[in-house]
Amino acid sequence: EAQVTQNPRYLITVTGKKLTVTCSQNMNHEYMSWYRQDPGLGLRQIYYSMNVEVTDKGDVPEGYKVSRKEKRNFPLILESPSPNQTSLYFCASSTRQGIYNEQFFGPGTRLTVL
Amino acid sequence: AQSVTQLDSHVSVSEGTPVLLRCNYSSSYSPSLFWYVQHPNKGLQLLLKYTSAATLVKGINGFEAEFKKSETSFHLTKPSAHMSDAAEYFCVVSVLSGGYQKVTFGTGTKLQVIP
Repeated sequence: EAQVTQNPRYLITVTGKKLTVTCSQNMNHEYMSWYRQDPGLGLRQIYYSMNVEVTDKGDVPEGYKVSRKEKRNFPLILESPSPNQTSLYFCASSTRQGIYNEQFFGPGTRLTVL
Repeated sequence: AQSVTQLDSHVSVSEGTPVLLRCNYSSSYSPSLFWYVQHPNKGLQLLLKYTSAATLVKGINGFEAEFKKSETSFHLTKPSAHMSDAAEYFCVVSVLSGGYQKVTFGTGTKLQVIP
């Protein structure tokens, strides 16, 4: 089954404790992206990757890191999480011409930073 | 620069009546436009997309949207609402700028369907 998977689905952590949210897709997509969703703000793009080893900042990159060492994986790293990073996070992927093609979204990761 | 404005944060309709969810956009480039739906506690699913072909786009579950360049609008409609349509809807604009894709989401419209 074609899908985007994220782990963990739920995470409660404390300020300053490094964490990684994994994202994997099995559709051989070139384009992958991370979003955060906050009430009243919709989804805001954190980082995206056009292909392996090619990443760029989205609209809200501060406090986040990403890497794209393999085509299928695009982990999101919070080196020192803070309470303002409490949010619902979505990973998405699409084919190279992402502007024309839909993005496939993962199920989301709900993160709480205390 | 680009932006998306969803004009209503909440819309309430009675079951069986028409649905209209409004979206306006601005973009310096020719955009692709999408509508996604998010049911409670679920991920996002594509409803329909506009990619410079026909201006009237039909999607899943009876939804359609019309691209009006002169009005910079891409409103979502459905002739008759069903209870299962209750969800949050996002309008999205996507452009290629300097070889990189730029995706911008609207802030969402929550649709309530009253029995």
